[in-house]
Amino acid sequence: DAGVTQSPTHLIKTRGQHVTLRCSPISGHKSVSWYQQVLGQGPQFIFQYYEKEERGRGNFPDRFSARQFPNYSSELNVNALLLGDSALYLCASSLDIDRVWETQYFGPGTRLLVL
Amino acid sequence: GESVGLHLPTLSVQEGDNSIINCAYSNSASDYFIWYKQESGKGPQFIIDIRSNMDKRQGQRVTVLLNKTVKHLSLQIAATQPGDSAVYFCADFNTGKLIFGQGTTLQVKP
Repeated sequence: DAGVTQSPTHLIKTRGQHVTLRCSPISGHKSVSWYQQVLGQGPQFIFQYYEKEERGRGNFPDRFSARQFPNYSSELNVNALLLGDSALYLCASSLDIDRVWETQYFGPGTRLLVL
Repeated sequence: GESVGLHLPTLSVQEGDNSIINCAYSNSASDYFIWYKQESGKGPQFIIDIRSNMDKRQGQRVTVLLNKTVKHLSLQIAATQPGDSAVYFCADFNTGKLIFGQGTTLQVKP
């Protein structure tokens, strides 16, 4: 069975542009979470979606948005990119939203570089 | 504010020795504490968790200790192997969110 997949694997953008990152969860998983991991630091929670509804949001500006589709895949959108948005963006899927870590699996991430 | 952090950025151990990775946390209201392992080029992988009302929990070759008095968490890895080389993160779970610390890089010398 395939794990969590993310696309693209790498991406280079310039300041002011916008980017869309995609995530396909493990089959049967209904919750998707997004994290930002800056080099040398731990992942920071951005969003959690469950059954297509936003269930949690971290301390990120409104330039960050996301959505979940009927097939439970998800997109993370970032507008007006800043240099500081350069990071590894991780997607994680889980069966539900309670004690997510017990059934949560992370994808390999999308590495975004903003020039 | 809430924070979860580790004491040392890098830990180097000899293969076969035991490893101890430490973490300090600030939020007394956290319900669970979780340890993750992240290998190069991969996302974090769940290792073990401990509920806030427990002091110790053991898994396969790993033990997590929780000292609520000093808000300290540790991960002990027995008989460290080359495959244990990775970055280790502690995280706490509160109000539906996982909050990760900064990470300790474990280097295993042959």
